[in-house]
This record gives sequence, C-alpha cells and structure tokens, in this order.
Amino acid sequence: QVQLQESGPGLVRPSETLTLTCTVSGVSFSITYLSWVRQLPGKGLEWIGYMYYTGNPTYNPSLKSRVTLSIDTSESQFSLKLNSVTAADTAVYYCATTGLSSTGYSTDISFNHWGQGLLVAVSS
Amino acid sequence: QSVLTQPPSVSAAPGQKVAISCSGNSSNIGKHYVSWYQQLPGTAPKLHIYENYKRPSGIPGRFSGSKSGTSATLGVTGLQTGDEAEYYCVSWDSSLSAAVFGGGTKLTVL
Repeated sequence: QVQLQESGPGLVRPSETLTLTCTVSGVSFSITYLSWVRQLPGKGLEWIGYMYYTGNPTYNPSLKSRVTLSIDTSESQFSLKLNSVTAADTAVYYCATTGLSSTGYSTDISFNHWGQGLLVAVSS
Repeated sequence: QSVLTQPPSVSAAPGQKVAISCSGNSSNIGKHYVSWYQQLPGTAPKLHIYENYKRPSGIPGRFSGSKSGTSATLGVTGLQTGDEAEYYCVSWDSSLSAAVFGGGTKLTVL
C-alpha cells in the first residue's frame, strides 16, 4: 500500500530554514505528483506546492519566495525547504500524493494519500 | 479568511443525513473540480470525494458529492458516530494559481 512518512526537526529557530523530507513507498513517482500541505495550529489547511519527479515545481504564490521543493527518486524522497521562518510557520506539515489533471479548461487536483504529519514549531 | 467558504459546524442525529456546503467563485469552483476530505481528530486528512462526485475505493456510498455553479456540497447519509470529524473542500483557483481549501466544517453526530 501507499505510505508516506515525514521527517525532520520538530523545532526550528526564527529566520532559519525549515527542511523536511517525505519518504514515499508503494507508488511509482512516474504516476503521481507530490504535494506539501500544512495545518496551522487549530486552523485549516494550506497548500504549499506540488512537484512531478521530472521537475518544474508549482508553488503557492503566498509562499513562493521562501519555498523550494525537490525530489530524489533514488531515495524515494520528496523534500521541502522553507527559509526565513517565523512563528507564523508553526504548523503540522503533511506530504501527500497528488492527482492532477486538466482538460484544458478545468483542473482537478486531489490529495490522495497523506503522511501522518509532522509538527514543526518555530521558536527561539 | 479561506478562499472557499464552509459553515463552521453542522450537526444531525445518528441515522439522519447532512449536507455540508462549500462556496467559491468563478475562478475556482465555478471552473474547476472539487474534492472533499475527512479529518478525524489527531489524524491526517483522508480523501473522500474527488472530481466533484467520485469516491475513492473504500469510501462508503453514504458519502456523496455534487457541484452546481460556484458551490459544491458533500452529503452524508445514515450518519454514524464515527463520521464525527472536520470536513474540508478543495479546488484549484485560476486567479491565484493555487489549490485552495475551505475553512473546514465540524460535523457532530448528536
């Protein structure tokens, strides 16, 4: 079955770079996009960005200036880097397999399988 | 403020049915597909509806989805206590070039 597991530090200092890794198993990178989604404490969900294994990531414009996504197919890993973090970046971070299709007019995006999530606090 | 608008909460008795709405505009729901997610307390969201009305394997037929104009609806029939959760809608937004979430609706089965 499809499994995703987030890993990384649970605490990051303000102004530093948050780096998370998602290890993916049970699915080929060639048939799915991968996304990062975060959930601010007690609040809703926010899409960070998605990527296909061939490259060319797409980012949420609200975070684009600070985010970098990458994929290492040899390690089956999907990574997130978020720089210049502040307390507002404290959240549970999820990685998810992503279905993405377009008819040319309409786009469908769905987050099919999710990791368990990783709580990252930004604090000095 | 979320781009997609959901009611904060809905409730109904066991065995009854409930509808959760998700309102957007012509840049998101009015043009693109909608998916729905169930988030049980302390767990990751789980896909329940995609492409407006399709159910992934393993999701009971008690869950249904529909879309009309710039709004979408998640329906749940035969409510069970295990359905108590937060539910979120998602769509692509052409103006923002981003996937956008609703603020979530807490379903309580009384």
